[in-house]
Amino acid sequence: EVQLVESGGGLVQPGRSLRLSCAASGFMFDDYAMHWVRQVPGRGLEWVSGINWNSGSIDYADSVKGRFTISRDNAKNSLYLQMNSLRVEDTALYYCARGLGYCSSTSCHNRFDPWGQGTLVTVSS
Amino acid sequence: EIVLTQSPGTLSLSPGERATLSCRASQSVSSSYLAWYQQKPGQAPRLLIYGASNRATGIPDRFSGSGSGTDFTLTINRLEPEDFAVYYCQQYGSSLTFGGGTKVEIK
Repeated sequence: EVQLVESGGGLVQPGRSLRLSCAASGFMFDDYAMHWVRQVPGRGLEWVSGINWNSGSIDYADSVKGRFTISRDNAKNSLYLQMNSLRVEDTALYYCARGLGYCSSTSCHNRFDPWGQGTLVTVSS
Repeated sequence: EIVLTQSPGTLSLSPGERATLSCRASQSVSSSYLAWYQQKPGQAPRLLIYGASNRATGIPDRFSGSGSGTDFTLTINRLEPEDFAVYYCQQYGSSLTFGGGTKVEIK
């Protein structure tokens, strides 16, 4: 069974950092692009960042560019999101999702399937 | 950035009825790179449709997608009790963006 399990969320003060992790199982992790998508509780979905299979193509939403860094460790079947300079507006449930489709040299044109259950990040003083 | 506008915001229907959800893009979506997701309360989104009209693995055939260019539709025939949820469209032809969602609620 394909499974994605996020961890690392929590309460953090504005300006501080947090690192999210996503553990993948049930599929060949290094065959797929991976993404982070977030959702403010009760609101819509926002794509945050994506990375292709070998980390050669990485892209970010403008809202997080320069503050967040996506990475992966194929040997550990794991995806990460380093979040620095956190803002109140970064408060959301962060989902890890497998990307299906193709990746160019700069971005991945992917649909998402499946998704993890999410980890909640709350930025508040 | 391609902006996706979903309508209506809320659709009130009875089990057994047909639901028709719209997703309109601010620019043409290349190669019909348009997907639909279903999200139930407390759950992660689930992929239903990709490439505008292809059902994802395990999705019942009462779900169908259509459209091209800037106008796309998700149709749910004969609504089942488990179909009442929020539905999102997503385009993946130019960056990655989602629509605001349509809630299908029981009338």
